[in-house]
Amino acid sequence: AQSVAQPEDQVNVAEGNPLTVKCTYSVSGNPYLFWYVQYPNRGLQFLLKYITGDNLVKGSYGFEAEFNKSQTSFHLKKPSALVSDSALYFCAVRINTGGFKTIFGAGTRLFVKA
Amino acid sequence: EAQVTQNPRYLITVTGKKLTVTCSQNMNHEYMSWYRQDPGLGLRQIYYSMNVEVTDKGDVPEGYKVSRKEKRNFPLILESPSPNQTSLYFCASSLIQGDREAFFGQGTRLTVV
Repeated sequence: AQSVAQPEDQVNVAEGNPLTVKCTYSVSGNPYLFWYVQYPNRGLQFLLKYITGDNLVKGSYGFEAEFNKSQTSFHLKKPSALVSDSALYFCAVRINTGGFKTIFGAGTRLFVKA
Repeated sequence: EAQVTQNPRYLITVTGKKLTVTCSQNMNHEYMSWYRQDPGLGLRQIYYSMNVEVTDKGDVPEGYKVSRKEKRNFPLILESPSPNQTSLYFCASSLIQGDREAFFGQGTRLTVV
């Protein structure tokens, strides 16, 4: 079965420290990879995506993500966390099944402590 | 302002009473989809639509119907809601190309008692 795994339910980090939110996937073919963020009582917002090319992609709010094809991973990173980064983060893959189907991970809650 | 609008935001209903959650987008997107979000399960795709009159099942379509008569609207219909459909629902839209990011509505919190 095709799936996306976010192995950590929660990540805690101190403000100013680097953060990593992990994502691995198991799908056929070459999917498009996305990260979204959800703040309380809001819909999901797009952060960044990997389509092709450079394995390190940069996105909104200082976030970046590293694609590793051999490990089928797409980890989200930020060099210096802010308290305002505290939110729920979702990794997603989009695959071509004739139409385009999107599979989301279960989400990782990030807490940044001041 | 580019947006996806869902209504209602909150809904409490009784088992078996038909309901419709509306979704409208103003970005001329071809692709629209519905998801449900449950704790520990993330978002699961219910149905999606590649264009007007073209819909297809996602991972959890049982108990739901959709229609796409106009490009901007993609309503979600629960013909006979059951308590296991209590969830947070999101509508999303994007351009048709697979590498385009989705825009999400604010969500509809549905409780079926």
